[in-house]
Amino acid sequence: QKEVEQDPGPLSVPEGAIVSLNCTYSNSAFQYFMWYRQYSRKGPELLMYTYSSGNKEDGRFTAQVDKSSKYISLFIRDSQPSDSATYLCALEKDSNYQLIWGAGTKLIIKP
Amino acid sequence: DTGVSQDPRHKITKRGQNVTFRCDPISEHNRLYWYRQTLGQGPEFLTYFQNEAQLEKSRLLSDRFSAERPKGSFSTLEIQRTEQGDSAMYLCASSFSGRTEAFFGQGTRLTVV
Repeated sequence: QKEVEQDPGPLSVPEGAIVSLNCTYSNSAFQYFMWYRQYSRKGPELLMYTYSSGNKEDGRFTAQVDKSSKYISLFIRDSQPSDSATYLCALEKDSNYQLIWGAGTKLIIKP
Repeated sequence: DTGVSQDPRHKITKRGQNVTFRCDPISEHNRLYWYRQTLGQGPEFLTYFQNEAQLEKSRLLSDRFSAERPKGSFSTLEIQRTEQGDSAMYLCASSFSGRTEAFFGQGTRLTVV
């Protein structure tokens, strides 16, 4: 079993919809939770970074962490075609920065 | 552009040849990381440096792989005697030490034929 599970999709939704992307993990030692966006043939771009359980909001993006359920989510409001990309969750156990990544969910926003 | 820069962007090489990639991190960052990513997968950690010291190497990093960061600035990743299984995107990232947020370069896509 992988340490981090993420549905690869693709997830296709109409423009303007609210998107929910999720990861589950098995090891309670993970302390830091990140979401990256990756466009085709580009490097990952950091979107959100959270440490504790709860919600963190940045513009149209909200990251949610539930440590008790070992479940993290990224919500995108008012989705745009430019949001079409692969979204990867990345988790870290300690400050040595060995990130453990999900496989990524491919998101398609239809105009 | 003050982001992480990687060179070359694409490399096609014949099996058995050696290749070297370069990464120029964000100038103020003292940590530098190398990752490998294959299609449909998240990046896999290879190694990281704090300044010029290589502090961690993944078990994935075979003897054919070597990384350097001689002056604590740019870094090189060399793969000797390339194999078809080495075909992947090689990503470099940098950050401040003690900070988890890292910034990635555009990657070097390696194809071994």
